[in-house]
Amino acid sequence: DTEVTQTPKHLVMGMTNKKSLKCEQHMGHRAMYWYKQKAKKPPELMFVYSYEKLSINESVPSRFSPECPNSSLLNLHLHALQPEDSALYLCASSQDRGALHFGNGTRLTVT
Amino acid sequence: AQSVTQLGSHVSVSEGALVLLRCNYSSSVPPYLFWYVQYPNQGLQLLLKYTTGATLVKGINGFEAEFKKSETSFHLTKPSAHMSDAAEYFCAVSDYGSSNTGKLIFGQGTTLQVKP
Repeated sequence: DTEVTQTPKHLVMGMTNKKSLKCEQHMGHRAMYWYKQKAKKPPELMFVYSYEKLSINESVPSRFSPECPNSSLLNLHLHALQPEDSALYLCASSQDRGALHFGNGTRLTVT
Repeated sequence: AQSVTQLGSHVSVSEGALVLLRCNYSSSVPPYLFWYVQYPNQGLQLLLKYTTGATLVKGINGFEAEFKKSETSFHLTKPSAHMSDAAEYFCAVSDYGSSNTGKLIFGQGTTLQVKP
C-alpha cells in the first residue's frame, strides 16, 4: 500500500469544468510535489511545496492552481483545461533530499 | 546541469535470466541517484537509492545497483528475472548539491519485458 494517497483515481472533465485533485501523506514529510506524466514518458515536475510554501512552479499554465492547506495535504485545482492536459497526475512527498514517495496518481481525461 | 541517460528504451529477457538496465548520469556535484519502478496504472515505487557510502546498493525485490563514478554509471541488475518484474523502470538524479530544490531529473525510462 502506498503511503501517499491520491483521490480520485480517475477523473473525466469537460473543458469548462472546475475540479480538484487531492493528495494526503502522513509520513511527516515537509516537501510535496505535483508531477504530470504522459504515456510512456517520465514524470514532469509541475510544483514543489516546501514547509507549506510554494517553492517551485515549473512555468505551469494558470489553469492549474496548487494549494497546500497544511503539511499533510496538497491540492491541485483545475479550471478550463485543454484535451492535451489529459495525463496521469502524480503527487509525491519527501523528507530527506531526493527520496520521493509517490502516490498512485489520478488519471485525468479532458473532453 | 544534471542529466540522466537510460540506454535502451526496451529490454526483453527470459524468465530466470539476468536483468541489466543501464543508466548513465551527468552531474557537476556528487550525485544522489535513484531507481524507480512503475507498474501499469500505478505510481512510481522507489527500488533503491545511492547517496553516499557503499557503492553497491541493494534494493527491494532482489534488485541492486552499483555506483561507478569513473564510468558515471548506475546500472540496475537482478540475477534472475520474474514475470512480475515486467514494468517501466526510471533512473533519476537529484539536484541536491546544486539547485537543492529536491527536484528529480528522470531518464526516459526502460520498459522491461519478461518472456516465459
